[in-house]
Amino acid sequence: RKEVEQDPGPFNVPEGATVAFNCTYSNSASQSFFWYRQDCRKEPKLLMSVYSSGNEDGRFTAQLNRASQYISLLIRDSKLSDSATYLCVVNRGSYIPTFGRGTSLIVHP
Amino acid sequence: SQTIHQWPATLVQPVGSPLSLECTVEGTSNPNLYWYRQAAGRGLQLLFYSVGIGQISSEVPQNLSASRPQDRQFILSSKKLLLSDSGFYLCAWSVGTGGPRGTEAFFGQGTRLTVV
Repeated sequence: RKEVEQDPGPFNVPEGATVAFNCTYSNSASQSFFWYRQDCRKEPKLLMSVYSSGNEDGRFTAQLNRASQYISLLIRDSKLSDSATYLCVVNRGSYIPTFGRGTSLIVHP
Repeated sequence: SQTIHQWPATLVQPVGSPLSLECTVEGTSNPNLYWYRQAAGRGLQLLFYSVGIGQISSEVPQNLSASRPQDRQFILSSKKLLLSDSGFYLCAWSVGTGGPRGTEAFFGQGTRLTVV
């Protein structure tokens, strides 16, 4: 089983839609979780950390389910500019970021 | 504020030639440093990481090596490139004393390497 698994998509949604991505991880001892965004041919950039109690940043909501070992990202009111690949990251130990393969999102008019 | 510099942005090298990619971080001390590779349409694969000067951990056996000659300098090298070494190489750093929960990683702009 891969350390971090994501559905590669693509998720093709209209503007204004709500879309959710899930990610599962294999190491139950993992403590740090993040979502990154990667635009085509660019470096990944941190979108948000994921906290145990769940957290929200504008239109983005991240949730962590430790019992089931999955992380989710919810995007509300999708914008064209949200089109990108979303990478789930789980730290192995405290400082080794392990990336999922990424989920591609395409927002169309 | 912290910044990370990685160069060159693009590189075309013949098979069998050597490689040296350099990455430097400014504005922080004793960072954790990482080299990742991303093949076309694939996820990020961790190649090397370092928690201090001269300390290098290799994740996968390969045609590459890494060195950390200074606290904020990380170098990726190869003596002889293979076609399969083509990809998008990314250097990243994270806070070296992030505690048990760790901290997020920040990436350089990457080097797109094509071996021909």
